[in-house]
Amino acid sequence: AQSVTQLGSHVSVSEGALVLLRCNYSSSVPPYLFWYVQYPNQGLQLLLKYTSAATLVKGINGFEAEFKKSETSFHLTKPSAHMSDAAEYFCAVTRTGTASKLTFGTGTRLQVTL
Amino acid sequence: GAGVSQSPRYKVAKRGQDVALRCDPISGHVSLFWYQQALGQGPEFLTYFQNEAQLDKSGLPSDRFFAERPEGSVSTLKIQRTQQEDSAVYLCASSLEGGALSGEQYFGPGTRLTVT
Repeated sequence: AQSVTQLGSHVSVSEGALVLLRCNYSSSVPPYLFWYVQYPNQGLQLLLKYTSAATLVKGINGFEAEFKKSETSFHLTKPSAHMSDAAEYFCAVTRTGTASKLTFGTGTRLQVTL
Repeated sequence: GAGVSQSPRYKVAKRGQDVALRCDPISGHVSLFWYQQALGQGPEFLTYFQNEAQLDKSGLPSDRFFAERPEGSVSTLKIQRTQQEDSAVYLCASSLEGGALSGEQYFGPGTRLTVT
């Protein structure tokens, strides 16, 4: 079975500050890991994905995440927050090799303040 | 090209009514997924199609939930005799089939179902 745990249901940062959203995974097989963003009343948009290539993954909108097998983590970071980053962020995991269902975390709501 | 579309965007049903939710995937996408997202939660898997074949329905919460994709394109999620606990956003996603890069799913905007 696979699962992800997102630490912190709400994170608040000042505009221009570092964004760090935490995700730890559990998987009995090599995982594929994803970060999705959800804006109000919209569907999920893929930010970035890890598929066993480079452990440091760069995504859209200046976000990146690092896969750390020893820590079973896949934390999302952005050096400088922007007001437009305010949204809900979901970490997700799936099995490698086949089109397969995503297992999502419970989400982290990011608030960006002036 | 167009993304995944879903209709209706909002649906209010009285308890006991049947509802049908539609998903139009990205053209050419072989895989189609349905997820249920309760308020304040992450999406949870319901069912998966590869073309017209329903390969995984392990997430359907009860036999009141039924999904189909008869021609391998548009899919419909049907909920019979709706209950208040069915209130949620229902998300549809599609992806290209298989291979080492599988798993990248493109999501529609969802249908928000409210059962009163």
